[in-house]
Amino acid sequence: DTGVSQDPRHKITKRGQNVTFRCDPISEHNRLYWYRQTLGQGPEFLTYFQNEAQLEKSRLLSDRFSAERPKGSFSTLEIQRTEQGDSAMYLCASSREGQQETQYFGPGTRLLVL
Amino acid sequence: AQKVTQAQTEISVVEKEDVTLDCVYETRDTTYYLFWYKQPPSGELVFLIRRNSFDEQNEISGRYSWNFQKSTSSFNFTITASQVVDSAVYFCALSEAYRDAGNMLTFGGGTRLMVKP
Repeated sequence: DTGVSQDPRHKITKRGQNVTFRCDPISEHNRLYWYRQTLGQGPEFLTYFQNEAQLEKSRLLSDRFSAERPKGSFSTLEIQRTEQGDSAMYLCASSREGQQETQYFGPGTRLLVL
Repeated sequence: AQKVTQAQTEISVVEKEDVTLDCVYETRDTTYYLFWYKQPPSGELVFLIRRNSFDEQNEISGRYSWNFQKSTSSFNFTITASQVVDSAVYFCALSEAYRDAGNMLTFGGGTRLMVKP
């Protein structure tokens, strides 16, 4: 069973540029989550998809952030006009809806904004 | 609001010592789920265990064991006979069952475990 994959693994960008990250969930997992983790902290929830519908967004997700999951498969997270404060690890997780739901995480995309 | 506290930010032990990582949580929900994840230096979060709030049985898996106590809102994790490969950051997390739109996880701040040879 292939795990969650994320691309790219590392991204360095200049302040003001746009960046896009991709997440491929475990096949047949209908739920997909994005989290952000800054250095020395635990991950924080950003947004959640059930199939193709984005059902929940954290207040951490400013207007510069947008996420999509077309066709309910892979997801993209775009950050527009990046700021230095956006530097973090962006983690994607997927799960199968059900009583024993457990989120499985990808390797993350580490973003550095210069 | 839900909250997870891992008071130990860093623990250092010598190989073969036993070590316990503490986790205390807060929730107003009566049905919830608790998790432990391991984050090695590579960065990927590895799932270790899930516990439902209505199941207070302790669990043992090899050198790992978990002690869930609802009365003290704690879900502690013990590694017996620690090994260097156990060195990682360990996260405790909570999700509440009342949410009908997914089960977002609330994480603690993590405990960095260093096992020295």
